[in-house]
Amino acid sequence: QKEVEQDPGPLSVPEGAIVSLNCTYSNSAFQYFMWYRQYSRKGPELLMYTYSSGNKEDGRFTAQVDKSSKYISLFIRDSQPSDSATYLCAMSAYSGAGSYQLTFGKGTKLSVIP
Amino acid sequence: EAGVTQFPSHSVIEKGQTVTLRCDPISGHDNLYWYRRVMGKEIKFLLHFVKESKQDESGMPNNRFLAERTGGTYSTLKVQPAELEDSGVYFCASSHPPGVNTEAFFGQGTRLTVV
Repeated sequence: QKEVEQDPGPLSVPEGAIVSLNCTYSNSAFQYFMWYRQYSRKGPELLMYTYSSGNKEDGRFTAQVDKSSKYISLFIRDSQPSDSATYLCAMSAYSGAGSYQLTFGKGTKLSVIP
Repeated sequence: EAGVTQFPSHSVIEKGQTVTLRCDPISGHDNLYWYRRVMGKEIKFLLHFVKESKQDESGMPNNRFLAERTGGTYSTLKVQPAELEDSGVYFCASSHPPGVNTEAFFGQGTRLTVV
């Protein structure tokens, strides 16, 4: 079983739709939960960062973490063509070697159609 | 402020050759990470530097990979000799000390193709 599972898609939605992206994980030690956005031929860019269970909102983006179910979500409201990218969930826990290495999902490729 | 910069952006080498990737972190970031994404797989952690010291190298695949960060500034990742399975995109990231609300900034990656 992979530590982080994420449906790679692709996911195609019309402009203005609400997008829901999800990841499940198996490692209870994960403490920090992140969503990265990656445009083609670019590096991942941090979108949202959460530390505990619950919701966090930033503009059109909402991140949800449910530690009891080991499930995290990213919602994008009023999606725009500029949101077309690959969305990666990532998690981290103290590795015991003094490092908070990130564990990534495979990424979901999203296309928002005008 | 300049972001994380990686050189080269793309490298094509033959099996058995040596390749050196370079990462220039954001100025002042003591923490530097290398990650790799091979085709169809997740981005995977390789190693973590704090200044010039290797804090965690648990993700390094084998001894053909050598990472250095002399002087605690830029870092290099050398693959010698390269094998076909080393093909992928190598990302570098840097950050302030890890903890709550510490963002790791990623470079654009080096796409390595071993033929």
